Amino acid sequence: DAGVIQSPRHEVTEMGQEVTLRCKPISGHNSLFWYRQTMMRGLELLIYFNNNVPIDDSGMPEDRFSAKMPNASFSTLKIQPSEPRDSAVYFCASGLAGPTDTQYFGPGTRLTVL
Amino acid sequence: KNQVEQSPQSLIILEGKNCTLQCNYTVSPFSNLRWYKQDTGRGPVSLTIMTFSENTKSNGRYTATLDADTKQSSLHITASQLSDSASYICVVRRGSNYKLTFGKGTLLTVNP
Repeated sequence: DAGVIQSPRHEVTEMGQEVTLRCKPISGHNSLFWYRQTMMRGLELLIYFNNNVPIDDSGMPEDRFSAKMPNASFSTLKIQPSEPRDSAVYFCASGLAGPTDTQYFGPGTRLTVL
Repeated sequence: KNQVEQSPQSLIILEGKNCTLQCNYTVSPFSNLRWYKQDTGRGPVSLTIMTFSENTKSNGRYTATLDADTKQSSLHITASQLSDSASYICVVRRGSNYKLTFGKGTLLTVNP
C-alpha cells in the first residue's frame, strides 16, 4: 500500500499566482480531509469529503481557497490568488468513516508564497 | 470551548532515558483520544487510540494513559531512541463528529 500520495512536495510561488495541490487517497477509503499546519495554529481542518461529496468546508479561509474531489482516487486544493499568509504545510488525509476511524496522513506539501 | 493543551512545548532528553508528555482537553462529549507522532517533513502517524473505558494502551515503548474524569492523558516513552525525535500530537474526537481537535504538539529531541 503506497499510502496517501501528495504532490508536489514543495511549492514556491509568487503572490498572486494560482497554486494547485494534489492528493491521491488510499484505495477503498471513503473520507478525505485537507488540513493546513502552521507553527502558530497547529493542524487546522480546511475541508472534509465523504464519498467524494464535500460535507464541511467551514474551515476554508476564504473564497480564494477551493477544493474538488472528482472521483474516489483524486482531490485537489486550489488557492487563487495566493498570498504570503498562505505559506504553510498542507496535508491530505484519508480514512474510513466511523467512530474510531483512523486518518492516514500524506507527506504534505510545503507551500511558500513570496 | 473545545480545546487540547499539551505540555511541555518542547523537551530534550538523552538517548536511553524515559519521558512523559502531557495532554489536557476540554472536548465534550468525548469520543476518543489519539496520540500521533510526526517526524520532521512527514505527516502525522497514529500511535495509540483510547476510548472512554480505556485508561492504558501500549504500543511498543510507547504507553498512553487516559483519565476521563480529569480529562488528562499522558504519553510515556521508555528507553528513548534517536528515532523518537519528533513532534507528538494529542488529538481528541468529539462525539460522533468527524472533526478532530488537535493539540499543538510537544517537540521531543533525543540526543546521543
